[in-house]
Amino acid sequence: QKEVEQDPGPLSVPEGAIVSLNCTYSNSAFQYFMWYRQYSRKGPELLMYTYSSGNKEDGRFTAQVDKSSKYISLFIRDSQPSDSATYLCAMTYTGGGNKLTFGTGTQLKVEL
Amino acid sequence: EAQVTQNPRYLITVTGKKLTVTCSQNMNHEYMSWYRQDPGLGLRQIYYSMNVEVTDKGDVPEGYKVSRKEKRNFPLILESPSPNQTSLYFCASRGATDTQYFGPGTRLTVL
Repeated sequence: QKEVEQDPGPLSVPEGAIVSLNCTYSNSAFQYFMWYRQYSRKGPELLMYTYSSGNKEDGRFTAQVDKSSKYISLFIRDSQPSDSATYLCAMTYTGGGNKLTFGTGTQLKVEL
Repeated sequence: EAQVTQNPRYLITVTGKKLTVTCSQNMNHEYMSWYRQDPGLGLRQIYYSMNVEVTDKGDVPEGYKVSRKEKRNFPLILESPSPNQTSLYFCASRGATDTQYFGPGTRLTVL
């Protein structure tokens, strides 16, 4: 079993839809949770960063962490074609230093 | 502009021919890493470095070497590449926060 599970998609939604992307994990030591966005032929870029449980909002993006269920989510409101990309969750723990554990990524396509 | 650069971006080589992929960052970051990205497996860490002359293995270090002689550079060396090392490679650097900055990627094909 992988430490981090993520549905690969692809997920196709119409423009303006609310998108929900999710990851589950098995290591209860994880405390720092990230979402990266990766456009085709580009490196991942950090989108959201949260510590422990709770919600964090940044514009159209909301990251949610439920440590009791070992479940994290990224919500995208009013999705745009420019949001079409692969979304990767990543996580680490205190003292984890440079070691991030990534999900396999969910491919999202927002259609006009 | 803050960035991580990698060279080459694309490389086709043959089994056993030594190669080096360079990585450089201009943010004075202490931490640097190499990842490979494969379909269905996601990003997996190969090696990382916490500072000059300090390196350690990640999850999939077999067949790779690294060195960190200068803070800004972290080359990835494949002494004897094999077809199972065909992959998309990313270099990343990180400062005091947990934000990792990724390079644009190197697509390697080993025939």
